[in-house]
Amino acid sequence: EVQLLESGGLLVQPGGSLRLSCAASGFTFSRFAMTWVRQAPGKGLQWVSSIGGSSGSTNYADSVKGRFTISRDNSKNTLFLEMSSLRADDTAIYYCAKGGWDRNYYYLMDVWGQGTTVTVSS
Amino acid sequence: QLVLTQSPSASASLGASVKLACTLSSGHITNAIAWHQQQPEKGPRYLMKINLDGSQIKGDGIPDRFSGSSSGTERYLTISSLQSDDEADYYCQTWDSGIVLFGGGTKLTVL
Repeated sequence: EVQLLESGGLLVQPGGSLRLSCAASGFTFSRFAMTWVRQAPGKGLQWVSSIGGSSGSTNYADSVKGRFTISRDNSKNTLFLEMSSLRADDTAIYYCAKGGWDRNYYYLMDVWGQGTTVTVSS
Repeated sequence: QLVLTQSPSASASLGASVKLACTLSSGHITNAIAWHQQQPEKGPRYLMKINLDGSQIKGDGIPDRFSGSSSGTERYLTISSLQSDDEADYYCQTWDSGIVLFGGGTKLTVL
């Protein structure tokens, strides 16, 4: 069974940093692009970033470019999101999804995790 | 500019059918879209991809009650024989030039 399990969400002060993780199982992790999507309280889904499988190519939403870094460890089947200069409007549930952009090709996001909650507040 | 537009809410009775719409911005008529379901307090679930010609790729285990169609810039999700656990938010999503975009979502109430 394909599973994604996010972790690392916390309460953090504005301007702070945080690293989220997404542990993947049930599929050949290195072959697939992966994506982070977030959902602010009471709001809709917002794409954050994608990373290619073996290519490691990355794409970012303008709202996080320069502050967030997506990465992966294919030997540990784990996806990461390093977040810095956090702002109140980064408060959201962060979901990882299997699929996304890999270089110039888009792969369907067809499996989602349950999410991890990030709260940015003083 | 790529935009996806969804009605904020829809409702239908238990056992009935409902057709949800997702409208692509003009100039993006050829874009495929994906539908995702989000039940209360849960992560999203991929339902299907719909192409311009109406062809679909469904997610694993998605019942036949869920189907998709296409007309011009409209992409549709039809749910038949509505059940109580179909009550959820439904998001359409597309992709282009290195970005991913979601519609605002439609909250479906099953009466």
